[in-house]
This record gives sequence, structure tokens and C-alpha cells, in this order.
Amino acid sequence: IAGITQAPTSQILAAGRRMTLRCTQDMRHNAMYWYRQDLGLGLRLIHYSNTAGTTGKGEVPDGYSVSRANTDDFPLTLASAVPSQTSVYFCASSDAEGPFNEQFFGPGTRLTVL
Amino acid sequence: GQNIDQPTEMTATEGAIVQINCTYQTSGFNGLFWYQQHAGEAPTFLSYNVLDGLEEKGRFSSFLSRSKGYSYLLLKELQMKDSASYLCAAMDSNYQLIWGAGTKLIIKP
Repeated sequence: IAGITQAPTSQILAAGRRMTLRCTQDMRHNAMYWYRQDLGLGLRLIHYSNTAGTTGKGEVPDGYSVSRANTDDFPLTLASAVPSQTSVYFCASSDAEGPFNEQFFGPGTRLTVL
Repeated sequence: GQNIDQPTEMTATEGAIVQINCTYQTSGFNGLFWYQQHAGEAPTFLSYNVLDGLEEKGRFSSFLSRSKGYSYLLLKELQMKDSASYLCAAMDSNYQLIWGAGTKLIIKP
């Protein structure tokens, strides 16, 4: 593994189903983030984690949950998917040492909820 | 509220220079980032400014004016591979990034 990986690459999901998007990084970064990206809108932060064992809510957390059991993994779960959650989801990580925390992004997961 | 504004789309010619502007309003300020995103790919870091002035990095330069809440990304000697979206993001007092919608740059031969 080099950098950040996400799985699956893409998924079509029926509304009401539960789905977990996986994210793994091998850079030993403390901070990790989940964003969604929709056409015409900027990246919007869903949840974040500043260090293993802690998580926080971003701008659009409703309908999503996360966990951070260890440094490397940061899964995002949709408990009961709805069509408005159709989006491209990016996981990112950073060293978070001070203000300059360049975020490194995974390749993204394209999710379609029907 | 917090807000980032940047043009939706710009067109430029190969070999030319283009300037992409960004204005921001955030609760506190800890720096301004520019990222490049090719279609269907992840964003990648280009530059970071926290002090007023110009930061030059090869063909790309980034400028910041904190008093005006303004930044620009300057791309010189444009190449076809520079066709991408350019994302402006400001870091607020909680060290969270507030993202603009991105500027799609189209390069014509």
C-alpha cells in the first residue's frame, strides 16, 4: 500500500441499504477526513478524526457515522442510504502538525443510491 | 458564515498565462490552499500561503492578501496537461478546510 486506498471504487446501492466505505492509509498520519464532492459544490466535510480513538462532525454529518479504532483505518458507514447520498466520496489524511496540514486524498468512491 | 468564491470556468490558450482568483470569508484564518483535480481523480496539493505575498513554485505561483480576503493562482506557460479543476480552500480557526466549488480550466491548442 502506498498512500491512501479506498474501497470500493464504485457502488450502486438500493435505498435503505447499509453501506460501509473503507479507507486505509499507510503514512501514519494522525488526522483523517471524509468528504463528499457534488457537482457545482465544493468538497464538504462529513466527519473527521484528529487521532485514533477520536472523531468529530463536519459540515454534513447527518446519515453518516465513522469510527477510528486505529491510526490506519477510517471507515464511513451509511446506516440507511438515501438518494441524496449519491456522490463521490473522498477520504483524506494529514499530519496535522500545526496550521500547514497538507491533506492527501484517496482515489474516491463513486456511490449511486437508487 | 464561511464562504469561498472562485469562477466556475476559465479558458486559456496553450503557452499563455492564466490567473484564477479566489475570495474567502472564514471564522479565523490559518492559511489558503490551492489544489489541482483532474477529471475523475483525487485533488492534489499545489500551494499554501499564510503570509501576504507571492509564493513561486516552478510554473505555478500563488498570491495572498489577508486584508482583502483574496488569493490567486497564476499558471504560466500553460500546457494541455494543466486542463483540470483548481480548488481554493481556506483554513479556519478550527484548522478545518473550507472549500470553494473549483474553477474548471480549459486549455485550447
